[in-house]
Amino acid sequence: AQSVTQLDSQVPVFEEAPVELRCNYSSSVSVYLFWYVQYPNQGLQLLLKYLSGSTLVESINGFEAEFNKSQTSFHLRKPSVHISDTAEYFCAVRGNAGGTSYGKLTFGQGTILTVHP
Amino acid sequence: KAGVTQTPRYLIKTRGQQVTLSCSPISGHRSVSWYQQTPGQGLQFLFEYFSETQRNKGNFPGRFSGRQFSNSRSEMNVSTLELGDSALYLCASVEGLSPSTDTQYFGPGTRLTVL
Repeated sequence: AQSVTQLDSQVPVFEEAPVELRCNYSSSVSVYLFWYVQYPNQGLQLLLKYLSGSTLVESINGFEAEFNKSQTSFHLRKPSVHISDTAEYFCAVRGNAGGTSYGKLTFGQGTILTVHP
Repeated sequence: KAGVTQTPRYLIKTRGQQVTLSCSPISGHRSVSWYQQTPGQGLQFLFEYFSETQRNKGNFPGRFSGRQFSNSRSEMNVSTLELGDSALYLCASVEGLSPSTDTQYFGPGTRLTVL
């Protein structure tokens, strides 16, 4: 089984400041990692993913995350945030264990990022 | 490509009733996953279907069921509704055919309110 801990439930930050949203996971098998963003009254949008290869992954809107296997972390960072980045962010993990992993993402509790002008 | 479609978007039911929610995945995707999102429990996995077969199931009571049709569209059903079933139900269309490549794309959700 997998579990995900998002260490901050809320992160306030000023516009153009850098931000880091922290995510740690626990799993007895190898994992695949995802970040999703949710705007009010909407579904989840995929921000970025780590499936294999380079441990540093980037999104088209300036976010990046680094898979750190030794620290079981997948923190999300952005060097300069905008007002439009205000949303709730979810870290998710899927295990690589055959049947019990099919289609199942385990999510953290979410981090609300609020960007102030 | 069109995104994931979920209908209806909003639903109000009373305790004891049953409800059916529908999900149409992205064209070409053969797998669909369902999740329940509540403020208290967060996002929880309900079940996953691939080629009309349920391959995985979360820890929900038998009142929650689903199915998938030959065109990959999926429905989930909740019988004997309880107040605690009030939630946003999200469907995810799964791209890829193996755990090493699967990526989930979510629909806008169906907001169910049980009175």
